[in-house]
Amino acid sequence: DTGVSQNPRHKITKRGQNVTFRCDPISEHNRLYWYRQTLGQGPEFLTYFQNEAQLEKSRLLSDRFSAERPKGSFSTLEIQRTEQGDSAMYLCASSHRDREDNEQFFGPGTRLTVL
Amino acid sequence: AQRVTQPEKLLSVFKGAPVELKCNYSYSGSPELFWYVQYSRQRLQLLLRHISRESIKGFTADLNKGETSFHLKKPFAQEEDSAMYYCALSGPTSGTYKYIFGTGTRLKVLA
Repeated sequence: DTGVSQNPRHKITKRGQNVTFRCDPISEHNRLYWYRQTLGQGPEFLTYFQNEAQLEKSRLLSDRFSAERPKGSFSTLEIQRTEQGDSAMYLCASSHRDREDNEQFFGPGTRLTVL
Repeated sequence: AQRVTQPEKLLSVFKGAPVELKCNYSYSGSPELFWYVQYSRQRLQLLLRHISRESIKGFTADLNKGETSFHLKKPFAQEEDSAMYYCALSGPTSGTYKYIFGTGTRLKVLA
């Protein structure tokens, strides 16, 4: 499969627990993005990596959120001390730096439910 | 402020009728505009990008800088067009590669 993959697809956790999601981008893509989507809304940008460098973070990304892309390949998004408001679909996307049009390819998402 | 507005949450049309999904944007600079589509239980996928000026599945969209709009149009809707449609912008010429999405419009094509 050459598309963007995300694991797990679903996560149910209790409030206060930590969760970690993984994203594997398309192999030759050097840009990787995380978005969050809640019911009735479009995806909202969280953070973006070019290779291993985290170049931009949204104000939505509170101190409880951290993202890494240690070797410029896969990325992880960790949420510490989850809150019910963190329940959402977390989307990962990737793109290639050399593409003029910045087309992003999306993964299937990880649906987080915080009880 | 950078913003994408899709005023209609739901648009219902009959099969064979014309479709127009509205998208307006606010961006200081030269944005790139996209339409993404999400069919039931599938991931977001690119439908159109303004720089390529192409027609995909009969859909077209023209960037109107004067009206800051990028409306999606199709002359004859098909039932398989039923999906969620999102308008998005980015600003790569400004070094901004993230997407800003609208809230989406659900298109229902009725038989």
